[in-house]
Amino acid sequence: QKEVEQNSGPLSVPEGAIASLNCTYSDRVSQSFFWYRQYSGKSPELIMSIYSNGDKEDGRFTAQLNKASQYVSLLIRDSQPSDSATYLCAVNMDGNNRLAFGKGNQVVVIP
Amino acid sequence: SAVISQKPSRDICQRGTSLTIQCQVDSQVTMMFWYRQQPGQSLTLIATANQGSEATYESGFVIDKFPISRPNLTFSTLTVSNMSPEDSSIYLCSVAGGQGFTEAFFGQGTRLTVV
Repeated sequence: QKEVEQNSGPLSVPEGAIASLNCTYSDRVSQSFFWYRQYSGKSPELIMSIYSNGDKEDGRFTAQLNKASQYVSLLIRDSQPSDSATYLCAVNMDGNNRLAFGKGNQVVVIP
Repeated sequence: SAVISQKPSRDICQRGTSLTIQCQVDSQVTMMFWYRQQPGQSLTLIATANQGSEATYESGFVIDKFPISRPNLTFSTLTVSNMSPEDSSIYLCSVAGGQGFTEAFFGQGTRLTVV
């Protein structure tokens, strides 16, 4: 399967701060990218999708995509304790929603 | 999105036995997938469930171990056969290509423990 890298360790941020998560992928032909949030003991929940270079904002979340650098990121503004979860980067391998996932980044928001 | 129901939500099974997991969607979807999430790990795609034909398996997964059915556009099953403790994982059904959405959404998962 295609490689998706999320190398950062657990991220602790104070409440109200910005959490920044990064993801790189190996396959240049990938066209669609996703961020899922997974609470402990729960299934992944889609929070952002991005298909074009640039930024996409949805509420407190902003996804950034740079296909030339094969890089996608997620910013969480005004972090809340409810944002404490593991965030999974996923890449669509072939345009048919066969997803390759990164290992995930655990985010802990400290009140 | 769609409402995805997986059964059972969890099970404890004896090694050497088989377990069939069901995934039911409340509306027709084009694509259904099965993923595995081993303890402390991320998700790995097992196979794409194809309606009316054999599933398409990813590298490292075979039909004899993980037979899959998809008789229609709203239902699929995954069987974990001849289980060993290494099969202890969360198994997740995912759907995409439904009414009003193209992205992939997940069922609540089946937590399997093999003893």
